[in-house]
Parts: sequence; C-alpha cells; structure tokens
Amino acid sequence: QVQLVESGGGLVKPGGSLRLSCAASGFTFSDSSMSWIRQGPGKGLEWVSYILNSATAMFYAESVKGRFTISRDNAKNSLFLQMNSLRAEDTALYYCARRSSGDSHAFDIWGQGTMVIVSS
Amino acid sequence: QSVLTQPPSVSAAPGQKVSISCSGSNSNIGRYYVSWYQQLPGTAPKLLIYDNNKRPSGVPDRFSGSRSGTSATLVITGLQTGDEADYYCGTWDNSLSSGVFGGGTRLTV
Repeated sequence: QVQLVESGGGLVKPGGSLRLSCAASGFTFSDSSMSWIRQGPGKGLEWVSYILNSATAMFYAESVKGRFTISRDNAKNSLFLQMNSLRAEDTALYYCARRSSGDSHAFDIWGQGTMVIVSS
Repeated sequence: QSVLTQPPSVSAAPGQKVSISCSGSNSNIGRYYVSWYQQLPGTAPKLLIYDNNKRPSGVPDRFSGSRSGTSATLVITGLQTGDEADYYCGTWDNSLSSGVFGGGTRLTV
C-alpha cells in the first residue's frame, strides 16, 4: 500500500546533528516531489524543505537554511534530511510528505513522523 | 507568526455548518492553489481539499473549499463529533520561495 515511513529521530544536544530518513512504497517515488514538514509540541505545521523529483532543485524555510540539507535516493525510494547545528527550537515531530502532481502544492501522502528532541 | 492567518478556534453544534477562513496575500493565496488538511488528535495530517476546491477520493462532500482573491475558506456542513480536529490551510509563497501553512484552527463540535 501507499506509505511513507520516517526514521532517525531521537534526542540530541544543541549544536549536534541528526539524519532523518523516509522510506516510500506503493507509488513511483522517482516521479514525486517530496517535502519535510515539522510540528513542534502543541504547535502548528511548519514547512521545512522541498525537493523536486529529479533532485535538481531544493528549497528551505528561512529558519533552517544553511543548517539542514534535503536529499533523495530514487533508486532506494528514500528521502533524507541532514540536520546540523541543531537548536532547541528544532524540537518537533518531523513528517515527510509527497507533493501532489501537477500545479498543486498540496501534500497528499504523509508519514507518521519521527520525533526530534534537542536538549542538553 | 504564520504567513497565512486562520482563526485559532471555531465551534458549532452537531448537524450545523462551520466556515474556517485562511487569509494570505498576492504572493501566496492570490497566486497559488490552496489546500486544506485535517489533523485528528494524535495522528498525522490528512489532505482534505486540494487545488482550492477539489476533494481527494474518500473525503465526504460535507467538506468544501473555495478561494477568492487572497483568502480561502473551508466549509464543513452536517457537523459530526468525529470532525473535531485541527484544520490547516497551506500553499506556496513565491516571495519566500517556500511552502506556507496557516496557524491552524481547532474545531469543537
């Protein structure tokens, strides 16, 4: 079935690094643009990053620019988020999501999320 | 402070209708399609409306969306207790070159 499964979250100290992964199945991953979206404890959704299906362009929220890097491996149906110089405000549940096709900026498939806690 | 502005909360009785607004600008809602998401407690968001007014397969027609200028609206009719959730609008912003979401609206039925 169509699904996204995130992994790699955990507890990390401020200034540390983590690499999140998202395994896709049930659809043609190489045809799909993908995003990372996060949700802090008790807070709303925050768009983090986006990568085209061909990985020829990536976009980042201002809050993570220069610290986070999005990438993908279409041969392995996987999406990644390398997070460096982590801060307490990066603490959140991180979702990977598929962008709908065409001109839509909607996200039609979501994973269940992986929790990142940045604390000393 | 979210780029898109939603009311923090709305409420209505079962069977009634409720509208949730999402206000933006010419660089986001005024230019790109709007989508809406429903997040039930403890679960991942679910796409409810895309391209301003289209429903994915399986979403009841009690849910509808519209866009006018730089604002969008989600309307839910025939409210059920199971509709109690947080609702988010989202789109792209070409000034920021990033995706944007509203702050979310908690619906109480």
